[in-house]
Amino acid sequence: NAGVTQTPKFRILKIGQSMTLQCAQDMNHNYMYWYRQDPGMGLKLIYYSVGAGITDKGEVPNGYNVSRSTTEDFPLRLELAAPSQTSVYFCASGGGGREKLFFGSGTQLSVL
Amino acid sequence: AQSVTQLDSHVSVSEGTPVLLRCNYSSSYSPSLFWYVQHPNKGLQLLLKYTSAATLVKGINGFEAEFKKSETSFHLTKPSAHMSDAAEYFCVVSGGGSYIPTFGRGTSLIVHP
Repeated sequence: NAGVTQTPKFRILKIGQSMTLQCAQDMNHNYMYWYRQDPGMGLKLIYYSVGAGITDKGEVPNGYNVSRSTTEDFPLRLELAAPSQTSVYFCASGGGGREKLFFGSGTQLSVL
Repeated sequence: AQSVTQLDSHVSVSEGTPVLLRCNYSSSYSPSLFWYVQHPNKGLQLLLKYTSAATLVKGINGFEAEFKKSETSFHLTKPSAHMSDAAEYFCVVSGGGSYIPTFGRGTSLIVHP
């Protein structure tokens, strides 16, 4: 019973590089979310998905892209990395608004 | 529209004393409310949730929270703090007309020996 699996755990990028953060869940959840966490700012929603093939922007989508080709996977793509994207990223899944969220273990990303 | 305000960015207590972490919410619908805990360098774990049943909700590790609609509050309490309670705590509002959880900025709980 893996829950939400998020990779990698750590990554250092140079300015202008690109990368994909992987997220997979095995609980058959329709709802999946990507958050970034900055000190003292709580969690900010980047993108979310309500099912395979359906994604939408959250509060801070600029510089990111997502896709949801299957129920299980929800990768987050960073294009042209910038220092402002240095953060801790969390993927989460859940059964809907009144249900709890299950979180991955996080990705600590530094852009230098 | 929904929002959540955690009234303290840091709370410092001594081990064995009570804990109070304050949360106020705003929601156009009957909300679901959650408290999550994040220990250092870890992911988030659910402490407890309120979904319109009993207004006093008991969670894990001795924590509880009371939903007060008249005050739009959902404060988290624990009678006696342990060193292992030192962590970041997030209040979250969701449900009703929205399936997007909204997080508060977090409260850092510091526990002194």
